Amino acid sequence: GAVVSQHPSRVICKSGTSVKIECRSLDFQATTMFWYRQFPKQSLMLMATSNEGSKATYEQGVEKDKFLINHASLTLSTLTVTSAHPEDSSFYICSARGHGGNTIYFGEGSWLTVV
Amino acid sequence: EDKVVQSPLSLVVHEGDTVTLNCSYEVTNFRSLLWYKQEKKAPTFLFMLTSSGIEKKSGRLSSILDKKELFSILNITATQTGDSAVYLCAVTGVGAGSYQLTFGKGTKLSVIP
Repeated sequence: GAVVSQHPSRVICKSGTSVKIECRSLDFQATTMFWYRQFPKQSLMLMATSNEGSKATYEQGVEKDKFLINHASLTLSTLTVTSAHPEDSSFYICSARGHGGNTIYFGEGSWLTVV
Repeated sequence: EDKVVQSPLSLVVHEGDTVTLNCSYEVTNFRSLLWYKQEKKAPTFLFMLTSSGIEKKSGRLSSILDKKELFSILNITATQTGDSAVYLCAVTGVGAGSYQLTFGKGTKLSVIP
């Protein structure tokens, strides 16, 4: 089946620094990728939707200058958390959808801890 | 605004019991409904439903969609402790020319020996 790989699975960074999370579709071309954030014991919260080659569409309340999303190719999207704060510590998950497909496949998720 | 409501929010059953999880939705230009199982990490895909009345089965799990009444159920028979997880329902639709995905809050299932 379709596979989406996310890296790194865990990252610790200092306050004020930036950290990049990568999301790759391994065996299909992902025309659309989604980025989510999940707090403990809560459901997934969609942060933004990105289509290859165009700017990401951010959900209400998500700061686009803080959470930079780049979807430069059909197999790679990146989320950069800029000027990270401890409140940004969370589980970030990406998912991807192929062209014309309805099924969404998820990456393994990335635990971000900001100290 | 698109909406997905799952019930119950949590459920505790004994091994061997059968459970039914519910998902109702309101979405613009419905395309599909998806069920996921989430344990400690990212959700794993279970089913995608696009047509009413056609049951999808995978082992002890099955699911069906009713597009007229706008809901879906996920059944798990002969539950095992390994079924303990949060089950997420999501619907996809098309709005304003863009692809949209909306999740419910999930049903937390706990199966006790």
